[in-house]
Amino acid sequence: KNEVEQSPQNLTAQEGEFITINCSYSVGISALHWLQQHPGGGIVSLFMLSSGKKKHGRLIATINIQEKHSSLHITASHPRDSAVYICAVRGGSQGNLIFGKGTKLSVKP
Amino acid sequence: DGGITQSPKYLFRKEGQNVTLSCEQNLNHDAMYWYRQDPGQGLRLIYYSQIVNDFQKGDIAEGYSVSREKKESFPLTVTSAQKNPTAFYFCASSKVVTGELFFGEGSRLTVL
Repeated sequence: KNEVEQSPQNLTAQEGEFITINCSYSVGISALHWLQQHPGGGIVSLFMLSSGKKKHGRLIATINIQEKHSSLHITASHPRDSAVYICAVRGGSQGNLIFGKGTKLSVKP
Repeated sequence: DGGITQSPKYLFRKEGQNVTLSCEQNLNHDAMYWYRQDPGQGLRLIYYSQIVNDFQKGDIAEGYSVSREKKESFPLTVTSAQKNPTAFYFCASSKVVTGELFFGEGSRLTVL
């Protein structure tokens, strides 16, 4: 069993839809990262959180430490949001990051 | 602008050759990392460095080597001992080892 599981693996949405991507993990963590990988391959950090909720523009990330679960929400989705979204967790205060396999999102106009 | 520069973007290797991927950052970050990405797999850590002249093996270090002679630079050598090197390689950095990660654009290595 992978230590970091993302769902769904693939997601197709229509422009304007509200999108949720889920991340579940099985280890104790000190922080969770959400990353975006563009179709050209570049990776950008979206959020780093250890509790509660963070918001940046149309993106919202939440984490429930007790349930070992995080969600990434995209409001009013747009074709430019099409990318692979990656969840990664840091086990312990100095532990290395453990990455999920990613969720491929395609937003159709 | 500050950032991480990886080169080359595309690289081809013949059997038995060593190749070196360059990674330079001007973010004044202490920690630097090399990750490997295979299709359908999560990123995996090859090596990381928290300070100049020191580095640690990650989960898949066999067949790779690194150096950290300068704070700004963390080159990765893929040696002939790495039997299946075809993959995407990403360099990343963070201010501290627990901080937000900044990634390079990636390098695609193909074995001929």
